[in-house]
Amino acid sequence: GAVVSQHPSRVICKSGTSVKIECRSLDFQATTMFWYRQFPKQSLMLMATSNEGSKATYEQGVEKDKFLINHASLTLSTLTVTSAHPEDSSFYICSASADSRYGYTFGSGTRLTVV
Amino acid sequence: AQTVTQSQPEMSVQEAETVTLSCTYDTSESDYYLFWYKQPPSRQMILVIRQEAYKQQNATENRFSVNFQKAAKSFSLKISDSQLGDAAMYFCAYRRSNFGNEKLTFGTGTRLTIIP
Repeated sequence: GAVVSQHPSRVICKSGTSVKIECRSLDFQATTMFWYRQFPKQSLMLMATSNEGSKATYEQGVEKDKFLINHASLTLSTLTVTSAHPEDSSFYICSASADSRYGYTFGSGTRLTVV
Repeated sequence: AQTVTQSQPEMSVQEAETVTLSCTYDTSESDYYLFWYKQPPSRQMILVIRQEAYKQQNATENRFSVNFQKAAKSFSLKISDSQLGDAAMYFCAYRRSNFGNEKLTFGTGTRLTIIP
């Protein structure tokens, strides 16, 4: 089945630094990947839609200069949290689909802690 | 805009019993897909079941089945013979059909507890 690999699973960084999260589709090509943020005991909030070879589409209220998304190939999308602050601490999840009619496959998520 | 509502923040069920999780949605589209995802403590999102709106027959996957009422815009999940491993957050999700990679719209989730 379709597999999406997300790394790292956990990261702790100092305030003011940048952190990169990778999302790879292992056995299929993903022209589109989605990035979500999830706060404890809450639902997934879509941050942006990443399209291979073009600019990402950000949801309203998401700072595109803070959350940089790059989708340079059909199997890799990255989310970079720039100048991270404690309020950016959260659980970030990516997803992609070989055929979206059958649902999306999710990465295992990244727990970001900014200290 | 499409919205998905899960009115039960928490549910519990005795092991081996049956439980139904509710989901309603709002859309003006006639063709779409509905999904139930499970998120266990590991936080890995797992697809449980999906339903195409154009299909009248309710989807089933082993112990999991749905009651899809298109006119009422209702999409409930029934879990039969509940097992301890079913304990998780369950999210109902909606996706416009059209074509291409449309985004998922999630409900707020229902936390399911299994009582041994």
